[in-house]
Amino acid sequence: SAVISQKPSRDICQRGTSLTIQCQVDSQVTMMFWYRQQPGQSLTLIATANQGSEATYESGFVIDKFPISRPNLTFSTLTVSNMSPEDSSIYLCSVTSTDNYGYTFGSGTRLTVV
Amino acid sequence: RKEVEQDPGPFNVPEGATVAFNCTYSNSASQSFFWYRQDCRKEPKLLMSVYSSGNEDGRFTAQLNRASQYISLLIRDSKLSDSATYLCVVSSGGSNYKLTFGKGTLLTVNP
Repeated sequence: SAVISQKPSRDICQRGTSLTIQCQVDSQVTMMFWYRQQPGQSLTLIATANQGSEATYESGFVIDKFPISRPNLTFSTLTVSNMSPEDSSIYLCSVTSTDNYGYTFGSGTRLTVV
Repeated sequence: RKEVEQDPGPFNVPEGATVAFNCTYSNSASQSFFWYRQDCRKEPKLLMSVYSSGNEDGRFTAQLNRASQYISLLIRDSKLSDSATYLCVVSSGGSNYKLTFGKGTLLTVNP
């Protein structure tokens, strides 16, 4: 299965600032997914990042708050903009496995907004 | 009704015990089903996919009942290293391959 390098692994940020999270995959993948896992909760899909087109956002998530870039088939970034303490969460990127069955996750970015 | 519902847990069992997790899903059009394991402060990792005919991988057995929209995971002879949160995951399939996660069930295996 694909190997994903996600960074930063953690950060503590001031409210009102923005943080960009990067995911690098060791192979070309069609779709990359960005998830959020709030404390004590399960994972919620933020958006699907497609190469060459705008990301597709899930209900409750908007591009102005979570802009996504997907410049090629091995890389994507998620920016958490104008952060507030409610954005404190773990953010994970994910790709489908090479056989399109099952998913691989990056190691996650643990964000704390103070 | 939540899209994917799991036993709320937590489960505390002794080593060697058999433990079963249950999960139901609301979207009858769901196409793929998985159990993931998430260790504390780690990312989820695929434990096993779930097939209509049921499937087994060592001490782990997964079953799917499409008519009842029910998925189960059975762990036999549990080990200390099985302690983790187990996530029931359902995919809508199609070109989007969107995953919907249950809230997870925490398992602690005690010596």
